[in-house]
Amino acid sequence: AQSVSQHNHHVILSEAASLELGCNYSYGGTVNLFWYVQYPGQHLQLLLKYFSGDPLVKGIKGFEAEFIKSKFSFNLRKPSVQWSDTAEYFCAVNSGYSTLTFGKGTMLLVSP
Amino acid sequence: SQTIHQWPATLVQPVGSPLSLECTVEGTSNPNLYWYRQAAGRGLQLLFYSVGIGQISSEVPQNLSASRPQDRQFILSSKKLLLSDSGFYLCAWSVGTTSSYNEQFFGPGTRLTVL
Repeated sequence: AQSVSQHNHHVILSEAASLELGCNYSYGGTVNLFWYVQYPGQHLQLLLKYFSGDPLVKGIKGFEAEFIKSKFSFNLRKPSVQWSDTAEYFCAVNSGYSTLTFGKGTMLLVSP
Repeated sequence: SQTIHQWPATLVQPVGSPLSLECTVEGTSNPNLYWYRQAAGRGLQLLFYSVGIGQISSEVPQNLSASRPQDRQFILSSKKLLLSDSGFYLCAWSVGTTSSYNEQFFGPGTRLTVL
């Protein structure tokens, strides 16, 4: 079965610090990869996705992620975080017939 | 534009009571529909998904069941709730194809507490 591993459960950063959240998946075939974000009190929403092509994917709010096939990784990055980036972040990978497997999430707290 | 609704937003139920959570989608036809449970530190666990009316796939055996009586309606049910059913339940939809190239769109969720 497909599995997704997010390395950090909690991350605390100061504003303007750089962010990298790790994500590794287990499936060795063709994958579609997603990062979702859940801001406090809001719906889970898509940050960015990778289907094919350029392995460096840019999403909303200055986030980007890099797909490294040889490492089974899809790490999320942002050069300079803001207080408003405080949220829970989920990595997900397609796991078959239109279904997704999610990681356990990383709670990011950005202090002003 | 498409919207997804869930109700109720919060629910407190005694152990052994029945459950019915409803999810409806507007602005699209024949969507794929999903029920997830989100637990703190455990991510999102897919419970059920449906690719059409009356078609339900269960991902994990449990005390819950799902039904899809109409194209854009997805219901999560239980005959007798357990304490372990407490959690945050999310409904999601995606474009109804067999492709895995579709993102899922999530509803606001229902917070269920079983006492």
